[in-house]
Amino acid sequence: DQQVKQNSPSLSVQEGRISILNCDYTNSMFDYFLWYKKYPAEGPTFLISISSIKDKNEDGRFTVFLNKSAKHLSLHIVPSQPGDSAVYFCAASVDSGGGADGLTFGKGTHLIIQP
Amino acid sequence: SAVISQKPSRDICQRGTSLTIQCQVDSQVTMMFWYRQQPGQSLTLIATANQGSEATYESGFVIDKFPISRPNLTFSTLTVSNLSPEDSSIYLCSVEEGLVVRNEQFFGPGTRLTVL
Repeated sequence: DQQVKQNSPSLSVQEGRISILNCDYTNSMFDYFLWYKKYPAEGPTFLISISSIKDKNEDGRFTVFLNKSAKHLSLHIVPSQPGDSAVYFCAASVDSGGGADGLTFGKGTHLIIQP
Repeated sequence: SAVISQKPSRDICQRGTSLTIQCQVDSQVTMMFWYRQQPGQSLTLIATANQGSEATYESGFVIDKFPISRPNLTFSTLTVSNLSPEDSSIYLCSVEEGLVVRNEQFFGPGTRLTVL
């Protein structure tokens, strides 16, 4: 049972336009959400995160929106650049109160930026 | 952010053998994590490794199959034992910096294992 779902395996966007990557989750205990970017033959690289007490977090070209009632989050990249072409993973964790926790990942969305 | 290296970067092994993967961090961290990414799948947490104590395994993963060592605050190993083709995956270690505030995890480059 996938607790974190990325329903779009791939997304193609023109350079300069906005890329919107979506993620849904089922576990209402998740309270921290992260987006990672992964190039082939490399480990995931952290992009941006959001706590469940917020509904938006922005960092440069990247903005993450969280809709708790819908159990949905999205990553907006604007403007999209060729270097943004990669696989993007949505991840979530539960604050168990014991410190660091492992992450639950979605299957990823392959973003392709077309010139 | 922490710099994490893994050895080997890739390996091809025969079924029934074992592979030990090393994870080295350039700074001291309390918790290290081991993940597996099977072909076409998401990253799945195998276990959490705390220095000085036994690793904590997720459902579906057992110590006999995936023994983990954590001898100090900068190093950990994951062994994948009694290999079968189903173990062909990318194995990644990660660390979380900071104890008070939830922080992101930093990942190593991964080890690509192919079992014949």
